[in-house]
Amino acid sequence: QQPVQSPQAVILREGEDAVINCSSSKALYSVHWYRQKHGEAPVFLMILLKGGEQKGHEKISASFNEKKQQSSLYLTASQLSYSGTYFCGTEEAAGNKLTFGGGTRVLVKP
Amino acid sequence: NAGVTQTPKFRILKIGQSMTLQCAQDMNHNYMYWYRQDPGMGLKLIYYSVGAGITDKGEVPNGYNVSRSTTEDFPLRLELAAPSQTSVYFCASSLTTVHEQFFGPGTRLTVL
Repeated sequence: QQPVQSPQAVILREGEDAVINCSSSKALYSVHWYRQKHGEAPVFLMILLKGGEQKGHEKISASFNEKKQQSSLYLTASQLSYSGTYFCGTEEAAGNKLTFGGGTRVLVKP
Repeated sequence: NAGVTQTPKFRILKIGQSMTLQCAQDMNHNYMYWYRQDPGMGLKLIYYSVGAGITDKGEVPNGYNVSRSTTEDFPLRLELAAPSQTSVYFCASSLTTVHEQFFGPGTRLTVL
């Protein structure tokens, strides 16, 4: 089942923060985050395994709450380069395929 | 390392034609995937493979076929192309399911 991402779109000024949520109706083993710029392939950001860990990539970090079956991606002090569409991918059990959410469009303005 | 390569980059097909989208990786990854992405939408898994000789269906396999005779190559076959198959097709590979997926540059397919 496809995870649900919210919001669908967000517009930020440079330096502002944003949170993107990814929720599933099923128990999750891992959550993956990717960013895709217009006309390009998705690029990996991070993977979180069940256990409630938090990870970071530059000023982008994420958390995973396995009890709530959801993950959040935090964009801190956003930069123009953060613009793009962010996708979460969820894995229900080890070795299973990923199911991607519908994406969240992020536009960072000067 | 070239990573994941896909050919062709663009293709226009007529309804009913067939074609093969090529995908190759040089990272010795066991896992390979084919996704389609419709405009403004997310990625839908078509087929995937966990190793040479092993393939399985994803969410949207109808109208497609795959084979995996080597670790490096994972071609996607479209039989009897339909307008609904107009999309961007991405191939990806990963070491395991909890490692990052490396995506190819994509093939933009239009069926008229």
